[in-house]
Amino acid sequence: GQNIDQPTEMTATEGAIVQINCTYQTSGFNGLFWYQQHAGEAPTFLSYNVLDGLEEKGRFSSFLSRSKGYSYLLLKELQMKDSASYLCALSGNTGKLIFGQGTTLQVKP
Amino acid sequence: GAGVSQSPSNKVTEKGKDVELRCDPISGHTALYWYRQSLGQGLEFLIYFQGNSAPDKSGLPSDRFSAERTGGSVSTLTIQRTQQEDSAVYLCASTLRGGGSSYEQYFGPGTRLTVT
Repeated sequence: GQNIDQPTEMTATEGAIVQINCTYQTSGFNGLFWYQQHAGEAPTFLSYNVLDGLEEKGRFSSFLSRSKGYSYLLLKELQMKDSASYLCALSGNTGKLIFGQGTTLQVKP
Repeated sequence: GAGVSQSPSNKVTEKGKDVELRCDPISGHTALYWYRQSLGQGLEFLIYFQGNSAPDKSGLPSDRFSAERTGGSVSTLTIQRTQQEDSAVYLCASTLRGGGSSYEQYFGPGTRLTVT
């Protein structure tokens, strides 16, 4: 299997920085995606890592270490609208995504 | 441009009835995926289409589930003899190219299926 683990819930303060971790037990994947999903809405793409290292896109950054089976999503300058679920997913040879359970982030004023 | 659309947005059906869920992918996207999201669960892969063929059906939970894609575009997911455990949000996603590509998947709004 490809057990993918994320914290179930996190809380952070507006304006702060939060790191959402994702660990997995497989070496057989093409890349790692992060998606954002607001309640009742479709997931939307945030970032993709195929090589080890940090990918930065504005307030969002994602990191991958294949040797450690570990990724994280870093959100800076948190805004209230960042309250959502954050989904870590591994992509296989067919492009199908295997998702973790997701982390629900609540941003408080 | 138009995104991925799905219909119906909500479907309530009685146990034992058949249902059809429709997905219209983004024009030009050759790959199409179906996922299911049950309450409190992560997204679960069901089936992958490349063009009109389905090289990966490994996620279909039982033979009551089937899907087809025609004209390299619209896809229909059919659930026969629905059971209460089929209640979930069914999401469709499309991408420019499937396989081992890095292209992001664009998700539709989903169909919320409730089996009573």
